[in-house]
Amino acid sequence: AQKVTQAQTEISVVEKEDVTLDCVYETRDTTYYLFWYKQPPSGELVFLIRRNSFDEQNEISGRYSWNFQKSTSSFNFTITASQVVDSAVYFCARGGAGTYKYIFGTGTRLKVLA
Amino acid sequence: GAGVSQSPSNKVTEKGKDVELRCDPISGHTALYWYRQRLGQGLEFLIYFQGNSAPDKSGLPSDRFSAERTGESVSTLTIQRTQQEDSAVYLCASSLESGGSYEQYFGPGTRLTVT
Repeated sequence: AQKVTQAQTEISVVEKEDVTLDCVYETRDTTYYLFWYKQPPSGELVFLIRRNSFDEQNEISGRYSWNFQKSTSSFNFTITASQVVDSAVYFCARGGAGTYKYIFGTGTRLKVLA
Repeated sequence: GAGVSQSPSNKVTEKGKDVELRCDPISGHTALYWYRQRLGQGLEFLIYFQGNSAPDKSGLPSDRFSAERTGESVSTLTIQRTQQEDSAVYLCASSLESGGSYEQYFGPGTRLTVT
């Protein structure tokens, strides 16, 4: 199976620290899409970002940034100057061009301590 | 501008009873997905709808699980003769179209507890 691996099960940081969440994916597709979702304690998954396989340009949105490296099949997510409100479980997922189905990673629980 | 809604938010049922979980997708979204999330685990795909048809039911864990969608809108996930291992959060998501390029928007989930 083409997996999405989030090797970090849980990370704890102190507020204002930077933190990077790792995501490594497997795919045989030439066209594919990568996603990050945030699941706060309330439970509802929130869409954060989508990247397609043809666009390796890194993206920054406020304190969030994403580093897409096809050479290492990674799509890592960095939060700069973390805040307590960033505490959540973060899921990486991959979608394929010819399929409706997402493959989700198992998630990384981020705890930001005040 | 409503998002995906699900009801009930919590359901406690006795083993052996049937339950129905409801999902209202975002208006205009043709694709609808059901996932199961056990405590502390990732998302397990159950079934997806394109319009009112379900091309892939392969994720349904057993024949006790079924789902339908009507009017390209509301979907119902039914679990018959519930078992304790069915206890989980059931998440619904919708997207504009089916296809791996479209982001899915999730509802708040239904937490099912089978006693």
